[in-house]
Amino acid sequence: DTAVSQTPKYLVTQMGNDKSIKCEQNLGHDTMYWYKQDSKKFLKIMFSYNNKELIINETVPNRFSPKSPDKAHLNLHINSLELGDSAVYFCASSHAPGQGDTEAFFGQGTRLTVV
Amino acid sequence: DAKTTQPTSMDCAEGRAANLPCNHSTISGNEYVYWYRQIHSQGPQYIIHGLKNNETNEMASLIITEDRKSSTLILPHATLRDTAVYYCIVHASTSGTYKYIFGTGTRLKVLA
Repeated sequence: DTAVSQTPKYLVTQMGNDKSIKCEQNLGHDTMYWYKQDSKKFLKIMFSYNNKELIINETVPNRFSPKSPDKAHLNLHINSLELGDSAVYFCASSHAPGQGDTEAFFGQGTRLTVV
Repeated sequence: DAKTTQPTSMDCAEGRAANLPCNHSTISGNEYVYWYRQIHSQGPQYIIHGLKNNETNEMASLIITEDRKSSTLILPHATLRDTAVYYCIVHASTSGTYKYIFGTGTRLKVLA
């Protein structure tokens, strides 16, 4: 059973296109996250959602729009893709503070390549 | 959130203990120390966390100094599969969520 699953695993697309990455967790967590890992391997938080509500938005361009249809899903839609968007995107989930164990579980990542 | 400092890389012989240090001199009283690792390009994997007491689980031990300004992750018998980048993170909950801020980590290479 995959705890946090992302699709697709690989995504190659042209500049200017719009694409989405899907994330689902079956851990019963209330909080979900998106992280970006660039070519230098720095992992940076992008967004955090708690019960479908946006909590953290780390000055991510407006072209990135997360959408949480329910607590188990947090999808990432990217408009007008740019070369600099090429990276590995990780989805993660955890309990909300005070609701259980505090560690986060990460998906296996989506490698986005913009050409 | 407090910042952490880790050595860029370390080597360890297979079967020996791997001791990975982390400095977090600006840690606050309510901030926990977390350790994650990332094997190749997989998603980060939780290892262990603690507040001020030493902790042990099936993967590793975490030793936190009394002043909480530094900690050491110990892998008691390193194997080749432990080769990974190890991240030390210090944080507390904020605005109803956790904000895990990853630094550059320590690249551990376990040698046969």
